[in-house]
Amino acid sequence: EAGVVQSPRYKIIEKKQPVAFWCNPISGHNTLYWYRQNLGQGPELLIRYENEEAVDDSQLPKDRFSAERLKGVDSTLKIQPAELGDSAVYLCASSLDPIAEAFFGQGTRLTVV
Amino acid sequence: RKEVEQDPGPFNVPEGATVAFNCTYSNSASQSFFWYRQDCRKEPKLLMSVYSSGNEDGRFTAQLNRASQYISLLIRDSKLSDSATYLCVVNIGSNYQLIWGAGTKLIIKP
Repeated sequence: EAGVVQSPRYKIIEKKQPVAFWCNPISGHNTLYWYRQNLGQGPELLIRYENEEAVDDSQLPKDRFSAERLKGVDSTLKIQPAELGDSAVYLCASSLDPIAEAFFGQGTRLTVV
Repeated sequence: RKEVEQDPGPFNVPEGATVAFNCTYSNSASQSFFWYRQDCRKEPKLLMSVYSSGNEDGRFTAQLNRASQYISLLIRDSKLSDSATYLCVVNIGSNYQLIWGAGTKLIIKP
């Protein structure tokens, strides 16, 4: 069975430019997470979806970040405009339900220059 | 106080030794607990869930102490390949928030 698929793996952009990340969760997983991870730190939740509904977006910087999960399957995370401090690894994860273990994609390493 | 706390390490341990880490959590309503392993520049991968009765998987043993609000991970007969960062995760509250620790770095030396 395929795992969580993310693209792109790496992205380098100039500040103030937009960027988008894509995630395809494990089939049948209703819960989808977007995390941001900086070096030496644990993952920081940006947003959690239950099916197509965003149930926890309290940590999402809504002035520049947006996310969607149309049809409750694939999801995209967008940053516009990007800032230097947005450089990090963006991880997507999915789980069967919110109390089950989460499985991660390989992440997108974003560098803003 | 952070909601989930771990000793960042690094723990430098000789091959074959036994090593243990703890992870403390502050919310007594926490419902589920996990240990993840993360290799350098890789994504976190589930190592094991932590059950109330404790659980064991080969050389790895996880324990939950609800009274003192911590979970532990014990690694016996450590291997070079065990070198990684170990992250604990706690699921809390009615909104099922997953709170991650910052991880404990383990280095196994030959």
